[in-house]
Amino acid sequence: NAGVTQTPKFRILKIGQSMTLQCAQDMNHNYMYWYRQDPGMGLKLIYYSVGAGITDKGEVPNGYNVSRSTTEDFPLRLELAAPSQTSVYFCASKKRETQYFGPGTRLLVL
Amino acid sequence: AQKITQTQPGMFVQEKEAVTLDCTYDTSDPSYGLFWYKQPSSGEMIFLIYQGSYDQQNATEGRYSLNFQKARKSANLVISASQLGDSAMYFCAMRVRSGYALNFGKGTSLLVTP
Repeated sequence: NAGVTQTPKFRILKIGQSMTLQCAQDMNHNYMYWYRQDPGMGLKLIYYSVGAGITDKGEVPNGYNVSRSTTEDFPLRLELAAPSQTSVYFCASKKRETQYFGPGTRLLVL
Repeated sequence: AQKITQTQPGMFVQEKEAVTLDCTYDTSDPSYGLFWYKQPSSGEMIFLIYQGSYDQQNATEGRYSLNFQKARKSANLVISASQLGDSAMYFCAMRVRSGYALNFGKGTSLLVTP
């Protein structure tokens, strides 16, 4: 199993551009999550999904959108990127109590 | 509100010594879960240990143990026999109701010295 994979690893965006962060898991987990980690801080929840077709907002959803058409994939869409979205983005999936994280995507918005 | 507090921004420990990283939490839910994750300088989040609120015994995983004091609302991580590879950021987290997501503390930076 590859676990949770994320692409790209690093991206630079200009203000106002859009992009999609990809997340996939091959463990057949229903629950998936997107978090962001700002420098010197813990992770904050952006969106989560409890299964294909079901998503909901977390603590910091503004400026983001998600979709979950399959169990495996949970992409995060940034529309009109802003400098405040410079962060490291982590995707995770959950089995029983434990969340397993992807390696993260480092995003810089200039 | 469900909140996690880690009051130690940085800690030092000598190799082979034990170290305790503090974590306090606040919740009104009777059922909750507490977690510790390690984040080395490479950036990945590594699950270390889990404690459920109804678990009778403190959780242990190898050199990691969780000192769970329910009345004090604390869930401190104890690392025994520290190794140089333990140098990392350590995050305490609590499971929240919404989708069983995690609410993280700000983390504690641990440096293990020879």
